Amino acid sequence: NAGVTQTPKFQVLKTGQSMTLQCAQDMNHEYMSWYRQDPGMGLRLIHYSVGAGITDQGEVPNGYNVSRSTTEDFPLRLLSAAPSQTSVYFCASSYTGVTEAFFGQGTRLTVV
Amino acid sequence: TQLLEQSPQFLSIQEGENLTVYCNSSSVFSSLQWYRQEPGEGPVLLVTVVTGGEVKKLKRLTFQFGDARKDSSLHITAAQPGDTGLYLCAGAGSNTGKLIFGQGTTLQVKP
Repeated sequence: NAGVTQTPKFQVLKTGQSMTLQCAQDMNHEYMSWYRQDPGMGLRLIHYSVGAGITDQGEVPNGYNVSRSTTEDFPLRLLSAAPSQTSVYFCASSYTGVTEAFFGQGTRLTVV
Repeated sequence: TQLLEQSPQFLSIQEGENLTVYCNSSSVFSSLQWYRQEPGEGPVLLVTVVTGGEVKKLKRLTFQFGDARKDSSLHITAAQPGDTGLYLCAGAGSNTGKLIFGQGTTLQVKP
């Protein structure tokens, strides 16, 4: 049972570099989302999608882009990495935005 | 803006002790979820409470949803080292269609 698969698990970037965090789910969920997790701040929503071709901004969208060309995939792009984007990133999928969220294992990103 | 405040943020106890984690808001939620997260892993759902006043039990864990659906609590009886982890509450925004997460409570149970 794959569930939600995130890659890579760890990444170090230099300030100004760009990269894409990959996320794929095999549960045929329409709703997918990206969160960042920082100490003492819980999970903050970056971007979300309610279906293929539809994306919207969450609480902390600046510096990130997303696209949803298929139901299965929801990549997160960092346009020009900054040290403030050092965090652990989680992708999640669910039936709707308020039902049980299934999370990937996370990507620990460090920007130096 | 809907916010969820969790308390305490950190809890370190001895095996066998009881504890309660609180999740409070001034907003009404249509449902409230509790997740547990282990180091290096994503959160995993423990329970969802939907009805005001609802109580759900999962072995030694008891979850309660406030009558007004603005708050919830998680009580662990006779904690064990295997209960160690980060506990997150998440409210389902009735108007936003999204989950709002609390800051989390880090629990350490020492043998």
